[in-house]
Amino acid sequence: DQQVKQNSPSLSVQEGRISILNCDYTNSMFDYFLWYKKYPAEGPTFLISISSIKDKNEDGRVTVFLNKSAKHLSLHIVPSQPGDSAVYFCAAKEYGNKLVFGAGTILRVKS
Amino acid sequence: ETGVTQSPTHLIKTRGQQVTLRCSSQSGHNTVSWYQQALGQGPQFIFQYYREEENGRGNFPPRFSGLQFPNYSSELNVNALELDDSALYLCASSLREGTYEQYFGPGTRLTVT
Repeated sequence: DQQVKQNSPSLSVQEGRISILNCDYTNSMFDYFLWYKKYPAEGPTFLISISSIKDKNEDGRVTVFLNKSAKHLSLHIVPSQPGDSAVYFCAAKEYGNKLVFGAGTILRVKS
Repeated sequence: ETGVTQSPTHLIKTRGQQVTLRCSSQSGHNTVSWYQQALGQGPQFIFQYYREEENGRGNFPPRFSGLQFPNYSSELNVNALELDDSALYLCASSLREGTYEQYFGPGTRLTVT
């Protein structure tokens, strides 16, 4: 029973364009959402987060949008750069500080 | 500020053996969580420790156990290893109060043969 789903296993984007990564969740009790980026041979790196009481959070080139009624999150990166190529994980906070992760989306930014 | 560190980096064990993985938290963090990441999947929550007590557990059998020490470092122990235990084991530290961001170490790659 996957509570957090990232339905696109991979995404390829041209340098300078916008990258949009999507995430759907099923548990309405999730109250905080996070995006992590992971390079090979490294642990996931925190990217950006959003509380369930907000619908948008922005940090530099990265913006996260939350649509609670649709139980949908999206991560926008603009402009995309080759160094953004990585695996991106969507995560949702459950009770305590337990995080539930999606399976990840591989982003490739072509120069 | 020192980040999260884990040891060893790689480990090969035989089915039925026991293994101990270690984690040092980021400075100032009092909570440690352990995750298992199988190939092609996202990290799965094993358990969390706060002030040396287990503070939540995922869907893992009792042969997965842990410890947290007074300096907030932590160990993950797995007994009676099975082939399916082969995975990347990630440790993450965080503050119990305030923000919910968890900061991950590089992981330990465990291979069970």
